[in-house]
Amino acid sequence: AQKITQTQPGMFVQEKEAVTLDCTYDTSDPSYGLFWYKQPSSGEMIFLIYQGSYDQQNATEGRYSLNFQKARKSANLVISASQLGDSAMYFCAMRPKPGYSSASKIIFGSGTRLSIRP
Amino acid sequence: GAVVSQHPSRVICKSGTSVKIECRSLDFQATTMFWYRQFPKKSLMLMATSNEGSKATYEQGVEKDKFLINHASLTLSTLTVTSAHPEDSSFYICSAKGSSYEQYFGPGTRLTVT
Repeated sequence: AQKITQTQPGMFVQEKEAVTLDCTYDTSDPSYGLFWYKQPSSGEMIFLIYQGSYDQQNATEGRYSLNFQKARKSANLVISASQLGDSAMYFCAMRPKPGYSSASKIIFGSGTRLSIRP
Repeated sequence: GAVVSQHPSRVICKSGTSVKIECRSLDFQATTMFWYRQFPKKSLMLMATSNEGSKATYEQGVEKDKFLINHASLTLSTLTVTSAHPEDSSFYICSAKGSSYEQYFGPGTRLTVT
């Protein structure tokens, strides 16, 4: 069975510092995709970054980078130079079989609430 | 990025009534849409996968007669909560998948059943 684990229910970080949000996953599928989403208090889910299991390099999107360690089955999100607007819930997610299959549903971890201190 | 809308954003209904929530992909065709439910301070739980022109696939434990899903076109899926009860109060989020790996989420609908 597929499973996503986020062990940090909440984190406090000083503004401008870097922060790492942990995510580990479990799957028996040889091919999969990993996602990170941000959910502010408004409730919308904002896509941040994607990593395919066969991607050779770690994904980066602006201040977001994904520290993908396949052997350890971890996909930590790193936010550099944190800003007050980064305060939100962050969800790690996995699609067991990436690609264009309509059966590829995303499953979510329990989330980490990140609070940035001014 | 692609835009997915949901309507209404908030709805309050009386116990025993039915409520319909719409999910629309505004600038792309979505052959597959997903419906999630989120309790306060909890993660998103997938309820069902909706495929255009066919019956929805429900996750284990989700009552298909309670949560009716219709995906009549490539841009619209609806979730109807039938005979709503207070325990159905929740935040319902849809997402739509286009031709890429990305899945775009709607802004969510907060349902309160009194």
